[in-house]
Amino acid sequence: AQSVTQLGSHVSVSEGALVLLRCNYSSSVPPYLFWYVQYPNQGLQLLLKYTSAATLVKGINGFEAEFKKSETSFHLTKPSAHMSDAAEYFCAVLAGGGNKLTFGTGTQLKVEL
Amino acid sequence: NAGVTQTPKFQVLKTGQSMTLQCAQDMNHNSMYWYRQDPGMGLRLIYYSASEGTTDKGEVPNGYNVSRLNKREFSLRLESAAPSQTSVYFCASTGTGPMNTEAFFGQGTRLTVV
Repeated sequence: AQSVTQLGSHVSVSEGALVLLRCNYSSSVPPYLFWYVQYPNQGLQLLLKYTSAATLVKGINGFEAEFKKSETSFHLTKPSAHMSDAAEYFCAVLAGGGNKLTFGTGTQLKVEL
Repeated sequence: NAGVTQTPKFQVLKTGQSMTLQCAQDMNHNSMYWYRQDPGMGLRLIYYSASEGTTDKGEVPNGYNVSRLNKREFSLRLESAAPSQTSVYFCASTGTGPMNTEAFFGQGTRLTVV
């Protein structure tokens, strides 16, 4: 079985501050991991993905995530938050070779002036 | 543009009515999914289809049925709608192989059951 836990349903940062959104996964086989972003009243857009190549993955809009097998984590970071980053972020896991894409419960990011 | 198309975008049903949500993808993906999104609960998998002709239950399948009509299309049916099925529904598809695993999503269907 596979699962995803996102710590913190709401995160608030100041503009220009570091963004850190946490994701821990559980998978019995090597996973593929994803971060998606959802803006209000829209669908989900892929930010980045890990598919067993480099452990540090760079995505769109300045986001990156590091796969840490020992910690079963795939935390999302951005060095400097921008107002336009305010959205909901979802971590997801797909067990390697499997077909069932499982999402976390999401983290709402608020960016304040 | 290539992608996932789902219809309708909005729907209001009365309790007990039925409806089918349609989804089609033109990316030649094998796997397709139906999720529902509710506040604070993320996306929960209703049903998925790993390939044409196969379907499997997800986390919350009760009250729903699906049909994988062909490789392109995957429909979700509510036989007798209930207020608990008020939600935003998303269809998604994924390819195969490590370079083709990300899910592409439709724009969602906002369903209200009164």
